[in-house]
Amino acid sequence: EDKVVQSPLSLVVHEGDTVTLNCSYEVTNFRSLLWYKQEKKAPTFLFMLTSSGIEKKSGRLSSILDKKELFSILNITATQTGDSAVYLCAVESGNNRKLIWGLGTSLAVNP
Amino acid sequence: GAVVSQHPSRVICKSGTSVKIECRSLDFQATTMFWYRQFPKQSLMLMATSNEGSKATYEQGVEKDKFLINHASLTLSTLTVTSAHPEDSSFYICSASRDRAEYFGPGTRLTVT
Repeated sequence: EDKVVQSPLSLVVHEGDTVTLNCSYEVTNFRSLLWYKQEKKAPTFLFMLTSSGIEKKSGRLSSILDKKELFSILNITATQTGDSAVYLCAVESGNNRKLIWGLGTSLAVNP
Repeated sequence: GAVVSQHPSRVICKSGTSVKIECRSLDFQATTMFWYRQFPKQSLMLMATSNEGSKATYEQGVEKDKFLINHASLTLSTLTVTSAHPEDSSFYICSASRDRAEYFGPGTRLTVT
């Protein structure tokens, strides 16, 4: 059965800390892995990763994929209170483009 | 770029009535759109995949006669919740596919009284 597991489930840090969020997966016919940030409303797209070892960066956020070990990490450096959100990982599987979602990591950044 | 809008953002309706939710891709064309629902503190649950000009593909357990999806143009998909009941109260989110990534709308909070 296809599955996506995120860890930790929740995390509380102080402003300025660096955090690493994990996403591991077991899917058939892997196509891509996507990271999203969800605050009070719908998720916002962050990154899509398809190739191992190529880091994607956007400001203080970065992500990398390891297709051999079947996981991805999302790093946030110098965290700010505005980074508080649920971070969702999803894996695109198979020819029908189905997304399999993790349960998310709830990040709280305290001032 | 890649902005998706939803309307309305919040709706309250009485049990037995129907509600239509619109999903629009504002600055790109999307042949494929997706409809999700999300219960509190749970992840997204895919309801159906909407393809422009053809019938939607529903996930197992989703009633196609209750959740009517129409994708009449490359920028608009609609979800109609027919004969709504309180258990249909949820957060409904659409997304539009572009370059193999999905861009989400802001969601619609439906409350059925």
